[in-house]
Amino acid sequence: GNSVTQMEGPVTLSEEAFLTINCTYTATGYPSLFWYVQYPGEGLQLLLKATKADDKGSNKGFEATYRKETTSFHLEKGSVQVSDSAVYFCALSDPRLSGGTSYGKLTFGQGTILTVHP
Amino acid sequence: DTAVSQTPKYLVTQMGNDKSIKCEQNLGHDTMYWYKQDSKKFLKIMFSYNNKELIINETVPNRFSPKSPDKAHLNLHINSLELGDSAVYFCASSQREGYEQYFGPGTRLTVT
Repeated sequence: GNSVTQMEGPVTLSEEAFLTINCTYTATGYPSLFWYVQYPGEGLQLLLKATKADDKGSNKGFEATYRKETTSFHLEKGSVQVSDSAVYFCALSDPRLSGGTSYGKLTFGQGTILTVHP
Repeated sequence: DTAVSQTPKYLVTQMGNDKSIKCEQNLGHDTMYWYKQDSKKFLKIMFSYNNKELIINETVPNRFSPKSPDKAHLNLHINSLELGDSAVYFCASSQREGYEQYFGPGTRLTVT
């Protein structure tokens, strides 16, 4: 079956530090890949996505590149801010299970808690 | 305007009780979902409805029963609550199956 593995947290950084959160996946097909963010006390928000190999998703200074050869989708940001403190989830969706579209049943990683200090 | 709303935000109840969580979306979406997030933040889909029809039913105890009176609402009823049901429950919706999902703020259920 499909699965997503994220790096263990929590991650604690100082403001303006470089961020990497590792994500690897297992899927039998060609999934779409996502990063979701959950701010304290809120629901999940889609941060960025990539639907095919070598695609780069980007939003709010965050980036992730779909690497089929290493089955990875690592999240990066060059300079984090205190406001980036949140839980980050890597997820995949198998388009074979959703009529060929990019989204569908989401399989999530375990989440990584990020805390950024001033 | 809130796109996906859930009530209540917090729910504290005793073992053995029956409770419901309500979800409403005003996005005109056809598909709605329920997810469970455990104490370690792990998220897992429970159910998915498309135009009031059940399309995903993961291995969830039959004490959990979703009900969709119309495509804007998907409620979750839980019978005979157990300690292990304590979690945050998220509702989500998408334009239709296979499209981007929008999440509600969550309902924190605590069973004592």
